[in-house]
Amino acid sequence: NAGVTQTPKFQVLKTGQSMTLQCAQDMNHEYMSWYRQDPGMGLRLIHYSVGAGITDQGEVPNGYNVSRSTTEDFPLRLLSAAPSQTSVYFCASSLSQGNNSPLHFGNGTRLTVT
Amino acid sequence: GENVEQHPSTLSVQEGDSAVIKCTYSDSASNYFPWYKQELGKGPQLIIDIRSNVGEKKDQRIAVTLNKTAKHFSLHITETQPEDSAVYFCAAGYQKVTFGTGTKLQVIP
Repeated sequence: NAGVTQTPKFQVLKTGQSMTLQCAQDMNHEYMSWYRQDPGMGLRLIHYSVGAGITDQGEVPNGYNVSRSTTEDFPLRLLSAAPSQTSVYFCASSLSQGNNSPLHFGNGTRLTVT
Repeated sequence: GENVEQHPSTLSVQEGDSAVIKCTYSDSASNYFPWYKQELGKGPQLIIDIRSNVGEKKDQRIAVTLNKTAKHFSLHITETQPEDSAVYFCAAGYQKVTFGTGTKLQVIP
């Protein structure tokens, strides 16, 4: 099992550009989520999905879109990048939403917006 | 929503000493309290978790304690080793967890 795979590992964007951060898991997990990690602010939930076709907003959803067409994939889209979106992004999955299912994280995508 | 505070933000200990990281939470409905370790350049990894029907849990050199009345929980690492150096996150929640801001632990050989 590869676990949770994120691509790319690094990305530099100019303000206003768009891009998609990819996330795939091979553990047949129902629940998938995206976090951003900023210095001194911990991990903040952007969007999450409890199954294919179902998505919902987390704590900091503005400027990001998601979709979940398959169980395995959960891409995160930045439609018009802003410097405030410079961050490290982590995708995480678990068997199901809820406290019996620990999160499995990918190794992150470091995004810089200039 | 849930609010989790974590202290200290940085912690330096000598190899072999103990390290303690403390967290408080605000939502009395929270019943799941995991701890994650993040090594440089990697994603967080679960190291131990505790549920609200348990006051303490131990796994080798790592232990967690939970005080539901006071709404705080702690991570204890005994006999620290250089490989324990990392950033540690606490989290609390019911269906979704909220993370603390992290503690950077440095174990000095």
